[in-house]
Amino acid sequence: DGGITQSPKYLFRKEGQNVTLSCEQNLNHDAMYWYRQDPGQGLRLIYYSQIVNDFQKGDIAEGYSVSREKKESFPLTVTSAQKNPTAFYLCASGLGTAYNEQFFGPGTRLTVL
Amino acid sequence: AQRVTQPEKLLSVFKGAPVELKCNYSYSGSPELFWYVQYSRQRLQLLLRHISRESIKGFTADLNKGETSFHLKKPFAQEEDSAMYYCALSGDSGGYNKLIFGAGTRLAVHP
Repeated sequence: DGGITQSPKYLFRKEGQNVTLSCEQNLNHDAMYWYRQDPGQGLRLIYYSQIVNDFQKGDIAEGYSVSREKKESFPLTVTSAQKNPTAFYLCASGLGTAYNEQFFGPGTRLTVL
Repeated sequence: AQRVTQPEKLLSVFKGAPVELKCNYSYSGSPELFWYVQYSRQRLQLLLRHISRESIKGFTADLNKGETSFHLKKPFAQEEDSAMYYCALSGDSGGYNKLIFGAGTRLAVHP
């Protein structure tokens, strides 16, 4: 089954803990993206990666970190430095050019207790 | 600055009525614009892109560079059109391509 997957679907974290969200794709896409979705604010870009071993900060990167060691995988770590981490996180992948669409995963809902 | 504005949080219409979801953008270059849709319990997915000049599920969108708009239109709304709609701008950032999304408009089509 081809596509982009995220795990877990729901995640609970205590304050002060780091947590890592998984994103995997088997679409052979070079580019991968992490977004945060909050009610009334749309999607905001956290980090993006055009190729393996390269990634760029998006608009709201503070308190987050990523790695891109494999083409298929782009995990996102939400660190304790992120002031308001409770949100819905979406991962996407694409060919990375201006005309091409991005394909989205099902999302992970993170709640900080 | 690159920005996408969707002025309506909620658009509520009756089945069979025309629909127009507004989108305005701010971009210094030549924009690539998209509409994405998220149906209930489904993934966010591409609805249409301006470069394709296509009609998907009866929806069309025309890029108006003079008004910097990319409004989404459908002449006769159906109940299954109820969803969250996001307008997005593809922008170049130092050679890297990324999407800038509007805040979204929820379309509710009533029977």
